[in-house]
Parts: sequence; structure tokens; C-alpha cells
Amino acid sequence: ETVMTQSPATLSVSPGESATLSCRASQSVGTSLAWYQQKPGQTPRLLIYHASTRATGIPVRFSGRGSGTEFTLTITSLQSEDFAVYYCQQYLNWPPWTFGQGTKVEIK
Amino acid sequence: QVQLVESGGGLVRPGESLRLSCADSGFTFSGFYMSWIRQAPGKGLEWVSYINSDGLIFYADSVKGRFTISRDNVKKSLFLQMNSLRAEDTAVYYCAREDNTRSGHYLPYWGQGTLVTVSS
Repeated sequence: ETVMTQSPATLSVSPGESATLSCRASQSVGTSLAWYQQKPGQTPRLLIYHASTRATGIPVRFSGRGSGTEFTLTITSLQSEDFAVYYCQQYLNWPPWTFGQGTKVEIK
Repeated sequence: QVQLVESGGGLVRPGESLRLSCADSGFTFSGFYMSWIRQAPGKGLEWVSYINSDGLIFYADSVKGRFTISRDNVKKSLFLQMNSLRAEDTAVYYCAREDNTRSGHYLPYWGQGTLVTVSS
């Protein structure tokens, strides 16, 4: 099983600043890495797939990078609606498809 | 506009069964690969089960032998039969669907979730 580890667990950021979230895989997943955003009480929303491709309707302030075992999600100029929990998911080595434990981006 | 709507959640006792349904309002359903994902209260996302258009099926170790995934392409519906439920199965259960590119099991489409509570 490919274990996905996200860091930090919580990131405190002021509105307008940037945030960089990390996701590490226990073995290579190539670029088969997705990022999701989940707000309280809401369904997860796909942000990024193939490590760096924005999903339909996702603002350009969200960007993904990485390959192999190290990935980052960067959110530039954080807006109020961006404060949420973010999950990474690998889809190369399956089953199982595995998620990270999440990073909460909170208002500083 | 793709819309997935789950139903069937509820409160059950340990050892009991429950059947979840997920109705897809999209134009086509039969060709899509789908999964059930769950989220325990206050916890992260956990993949539970997968089914593709050819009937290939996988389960997480935590539910293998107890849960059964199936689909009805005529009714455009996905199901999860959950038997021998345990307290640790308590979660919101989401059905989720791939897009049509066959480029990997990332999930652009999710239902709103249905809550399953297992408690005595």
C-alpha cells in the first residue's frame, strides 16, 4: 500500500498571503496525484490532477507541482473561501487508492 | 451537469446490515468507473470500494468480506451492501466517479454523502 503523508497538519495563513502544502508518497506515484479541497460540511472538490493540471473551474491561484514521491500544492493570495482542509490522493498504485490525512489551512 | 445522489444511510446496531444507493443523473453511467469513499467523524477520507464498467471490483482490507459493491447500468445506480457492521464503519459515505478520460482514478464528481452510524 502506498502511504501518503501530508504536512503540516495545520497551516495558519493570513488572507492575501501564500500557502504551500506538502504531500509525500511512500513509493513513487509518478504524476498520478490529485488534490482535493473540503470545507466544513461539504463534499470534497477536485482541485488538481496529474500532479499539476487544474480541474475545471479551479482558479489559477491553485497550482500543483511534483513527481515521484514529493508533491506540493501552492495557493497564492489566499482568499477567505480557501480556508479549508486539503487532501492529496494517489492513483498509480492500486488497490487501494490512498489519501493523505489532510492539511487544514486556517486563518492566522 | 453530473449529479450523484446517495441514499440509504441511517442508524444501525453492530452486526446489522445496510444498503447504500447512489443515483447518477448524468446522461451516461455504464462506462464510468466509480468508488465509495468514506469519512469518519472528524477524520480524513478513506477509499472503501471500486467498480469499473467491466465489473472489476476491489475492496479496502477493512471491509473485505463484509461489503459488496454493485451497479445497475439500466437504473444508472451504484450500490454498497454493508453487512456485519461495526462501530468503526460509522462515517459519511460518498459515491464518487471518474471523468471519461480513462487517465486515472481521480474523482471530479462526488455525491453529497450519506451518514451511516453504527451504535448500540
